[in-house]
Amino acid sequence: ILNVEQSPQSLHVQEGDSTNFTCSFPSSNFYALHWYRWETAKSPEALFVMTLNGDEKKKGRISATLNTKEGYSYLYIKGSQPEDSATYLCAFQRSGSSNTGKLIFGQGTTLQVKP
Amino acid sequence: SQTIHQWPATLVQPVGSPLSLECTVEGTSNPNLYWYRQAAGRGLQLLFYSVGIGQISSEVPQNLSASRPQDRQFILSSKKLLLSDSGFYLCAWMRTGLNEQFFGPGTRLTVL
Repeated sequence: ILNVEQSPQSLHVQEGDSTNFTCSFPSSNFYALHWYRWETAKSPEALFVMTLNGDEKKKGRISATLNTKEGYSYLYIKGSQPEDSATYLCAFQRSGSSNTGKLIFGQGTTLQVKP
Repeated sequence: SQTIHQWPATLVQPVGSPLSLECTVEGTSNPNLYWYRQAAGRGLQLLFYSVGIGQISSEVPQNLSASRPQDRQFILSSKKLLLSDSGFYLCAWMRTGLNEQFFGPGTRLTVL
């Protein structure tokens, strides 16, 4: 059984705070690590797909890092805004799954940003 | 551009009744298709995926089945619903090699 764990489960921050959360995944048979944002009443949307150890990706105020050797990824949000409130999901893609695209999702971190 | 449709948006069904949820994708051909479920307090669990018409892979033993009668149509079914089938069901598609999945709006199923 492959475990993908996210922490914390939920997070409440004030507007303007910077925050980060963790995704841990198996350090063997790695192919890719995905981050999705899931806002209430919407569909999950892809943020990043990361494939190389040491990868850093950035989209606006959101960035992510990847360590495949130790099996973790961090997602950072700089200067959180109320519109950042959402559940952030990471998903592990195992080697050999490039054709199937099978993803194993973590439970998510739910972020609430208070104005 | 590609779009993905799911219906119905919400569904309340009695225990023991049948189920049919439909997902269709527009604007792409031969996509990989996926059914996920999010049960209360849990993450997204992959139920089924399909890499082509008539090709279904089941990820977890359960009370559900899936079919892909057409290239861009994916159906989730059950002959007799259980209380534990309640949850939020998401359909997704992916273009092979792109490594990004696109999700539909979801169906909230409540089994009473």
